[in-house]
Amino acid sequence: EVQLVESGGGLVQPGGSLRLSCAASGFTFSSFWMSWVRQAPGIGLEWVANIKEDGSEKHYLDSVKGRFPVSRDNAKNSVYLQMNSLRAEDTAVYYCARVVGGGLDVWGQGTTVIVSS
Amino acid sequence: DIVMTQSPDSLAVSLGERATINCRSSQTVLYSSNNKNYLAWYQQKPGQPPRLLIYWASTRESGVPDRFSGSGSGTDFTLTISSLQTEDVAVYYCQQFYSTPWTFGQGTKVEIK
Repeated sequence: EVQLVESGGGLVQPGGSLRLSCAASGFTFSSFWMSWVRQAPGIGLEWVANIKEDGSEKHYLDSVKGRFPVSRDNAKNSVYLQMNSLRAEDTAVYYCARVVGGGLDVWGQGTTVIVSS
Repeated sequence: DIVMTQSPDSLAVSLGERATINCRSSQTVLYSSNNKNYLAWYQQKPGQPPRLLIYWASTRESGVPDRFSGSGSGTDFTLTISSLQTEDVAVYYCQQFYSTPWTFGQGTKVEIK
């Protein structure tokens, strides 16, 4: 079964850090770009970052550029989002998703990040 | 950035009737080199992650019922549910992946009348 499982969310104070992980199974992870997408409470979807199959190319939403480096370990079938200098507006459910030519075809269940003092 | 605007924000449709959701992009999402529209549609039910329904603007994802269809090109797109079922109650999003930052529409909530 093709599956993505996120972990690492939690409650953190403004200015703090968290590292999100996404473990993939059921497909050849190293053959796919991966994305992070977030959804603030009651709000719509916001794309956060992409990373190429081999990690050599990355793209970011402007508001997270320089704060949320994305990385992957193909040996561990995992993608990561290091979240630094967190702000209240980063509060959201964070999803990882598999990128195919036509969109995001596999999504995890999400992990919740709450930034609050 | 490409702005995606959906209309309406919400709609209520009787069971078995047609539901139509529109999505407009602020610039074209049609790649002339391959004649593909970089536009996808997703369905999200409460407490669940989004589900890919339609990609390349009009290609149905595997397993998606054929009552869902997508159309349009360039900047104007439509998602149609030909005969609304109770399980179709959800929020629907369009998304462009023509250029980063990839952007989503604000969502359209579909309910039963």
